[in-house]
Amino acid sequence: QVQLVQSGAEVKKPGASVKVSCKASGYTFTGYYMHWVRQAPGQGLEWMGWINPNSGGTNYAQKFQGRVTMTRDTSISTAYMELSRLRSDDTAVYYCARGSITMVRGVIITVALFDYWGQGTLVTVSS
Amino acid sequence: EIVLTQSPGTLSLSPGERATLSCRASQSVSSSYLAWYQQKPGQAPRLLIYGASSRATGIPDRFSGSGSGTDFTLTISRLEPEDFAVYYCQQYGSSPTTFGPGTKVDIK
Repeated sequence: QVQLVQSGAEVKKPGASVKVSCKASGYTFTGYYMHWVRQAPGQGLEWMGWINPNSGGTNYAQKFQGRVTMTRDTSISTAYMELSRLRSDDTAVYYCARGSITMVRGVIITVALFDYWGQGTLVTVSS
Repeated sequence: EIVLTQSPGTLSLSPGERATLSCRASQSVSSSYLAWYQQKPGQAPRLLIYGASSRATGIPDRFSGSGSGTDFTLTISRLEPEDFAVYYCQQYGSSPTTFGPGTKVDIK
């Protein structure tokens, strides 16, 4: 069965960086984009970007451009999300989520539809 | 980017009642690429509906989705105790993908 297992909670000081991991199992890691979504306490869901595990290509939400880096290690089926220059309003639960694929007129395309999610990683930014 | 608005913010109902949740988009959602997720406290979201009206694997048939263009609806025909949660809509037809602010369904 598909599983996404994330690294544990982190506490960071403002200005520091955090790197969250997401280990995938139960499917071909390079066959599906991996997305990152965050949720501040008591708030809604915010998409951060994706990585194509096959090519390493990335696409980041404009809000996070310059501060986020998504990478992967295909040898261990793990995706990473690093967020730098942390601020207090970066305090949130960070989720990895597998993007889905669909077929349109006989062509397989990737879509930002999240069929499997990690359990979430709480990142607390506090001085 | 497409802005999604959900209403009501909170829906207070009793088990066995019907729940109707609305999601409105600021512009037409391409190919009806509209999804609904359920989230319970301390848990990750769970995909319920995709393509506006298709149920995800393992989702009970009391959950149904409808709509197109800019107006979409999630209906829970008879609320079970485990259905009290927050529900988010998401459009994935245009980049960036965006989520609505959520509707909380709580016990009356």
